[in-house]
Amino acid sequence: GDSVTQMEGPVTLSEEAFLTINCTYTATGYPSLFWYVQYPGEGLQLLLKATKADDKGSNKGFEATYRKETTSFHLEKGSVQVSDSAVYFCALYTGGFKTIFGAGTRLFVKA
Amino acid sequence: DAGVIQSPRHEVTEMGQEVTLRCKPISGHDYLFWYRQTMMRGLELLIYFNNNVPIDDSGMPEDRFSAKMPNASFSTLKIQPSEPRDSAVYFCASRPGLVSHSETQYFGPGTRLLVL
Repeated sequence: GDSVTQMEGPVTLSEEAFLTINCTYTATGYPSLFWYVQYPGEGLQLLLKATKADDKGSNKGFEATYRKETTSFHLEKGSVQVSDSAVYFCALYTGGFKTIFGAGTRLFVKA
Repeated sequence: DAGVIQSPRHEVTEMGQEVTLRCKPISGHDYLFWYRQTMMRGLELLIYFNNNVPIDDSGMPEDRFSAKMPNASFSTLKIQPSEPRDSAVYFCASRPGLVSHSETQYFGPGTRLLVL
């Protein structure tokens, strides 16, 4: 079945460091891919998405490129801030009724 | 729009009591999802509805859990009787219909449940 695998956390970085959170997927068909973010005490919210191969999603300095050949959708940010501390979820949607979420990766950014 | 609204935000109850969680989806959204989040299991899909009809409840852990959606603007998740292992954050999410071509889910702030 469809699935998403993302790197285990927590990831701890200093402010202004480069961030990469790896995400790979298994899916039949051609999924849309997402990154959701969950700030402390809140629900998940969409961070960015890409709907077809080679698309790049971007938002708030975060980027992820849909790589069909490696079935990956890694999240990157060039310079993280303390306010980026959150849990990040990779997800896919293949046109059925539901979205498949990864386990989440917790990010801590130190000042 | 106010977004997805959940109530209560926090609930503390004793084992054996009935718990009812409430959700108001975003107006016009055709899909409604209930999730449970714990440290051990992460984010789990419990049940989802399309146009008020339950589509898949295979994630509901036991018969103690039930969910209803009597109309397009209201859903409940009920646990009866509650047990300490039900302690978690419960999220409701909604999504537009397929004709909108929007695949994004919109989450509520969650209900933090503690069963003593």
